[in-house]
Amino acid sequence: DIQLTQSPSFLSASVGDRVTITCRASQDISSYLAWYQQKPGKAPKLLIYGAYALQSGVPSRFSGSGSGTEFTLTISSLQPDDFATYYCQQHNSYPLSFGPGTKVDIK
Amino acid sequence: QEQLVQSGAEVRRPGASVKVSCKASGYTFTDYDINWLRQAPGQGLEWMGWMNTRGNTGYAQKFQGRVTMTSIISINTAYMELSSLRSDDTAVYFCARGQSAWFKVWGQGTLVTVSS
Repeated sequence: DIQLTQSPSFLSASVGDRVTITCRASQDISSYLAWYQQKPGKAPKLLIYGAYALQSGVPSRFSGSGSGTEFTLTISSLQPDDFATYYCQQHNSYPLSFGPGTKVDIK
Repeated sequence: QEQLVQSGAEVRRPGASVKVSCKASGYTFTDYDINWLRQAPGQGLEWMGWMNTRGNTGYAQKFQGRVTMTSIISINTAYMELSSLRSDDTAVYFCARGQSAWFKVWGQGTLVTVSS
């Protein structure tokens, strides 16, 4: 089974900051990685799939990169609506798996 | 618009079973898989398994023997039944539409509480 780790687990940032979250896979998953944003009491929202493909309707300040075992989600200029928890998910093979999450909080 | 609407919150005793429904609308139900995931209080997301409307399923090993995923095509509804419930099964259960194994469309979540 493929294990995902995320760093940091918690991030405190200000509006306008550039934010980078890293996801590492326990084995090569090519570009089969998705990113989600989740707010309390809500279902996750798909941001990125295939490591870098931006889901329709997601603001362009979100971007994804990486391949193999190391991936990043970047928010170029953090907005008030972006304070949430972010999860990576590998869609390379079953069983599908998620990272433990990164909570982005207001500084 | 494409959406999945789940059934309401449930409370069960340990050892009981629960069946959660997920009704699809706004797209062709038979064109996509339905996946089930869960999230324990304050925890991350856990994938439980997938099903399609042709009767194929794939379950995470952790849930093998305890979970059953089914669907009724005529009413565009998928179901997830979990048996032999334990207190650590307390979680919000989500259905999600599979699209090359990532998830664009999600249900709103169903809280299942297992308590004596």
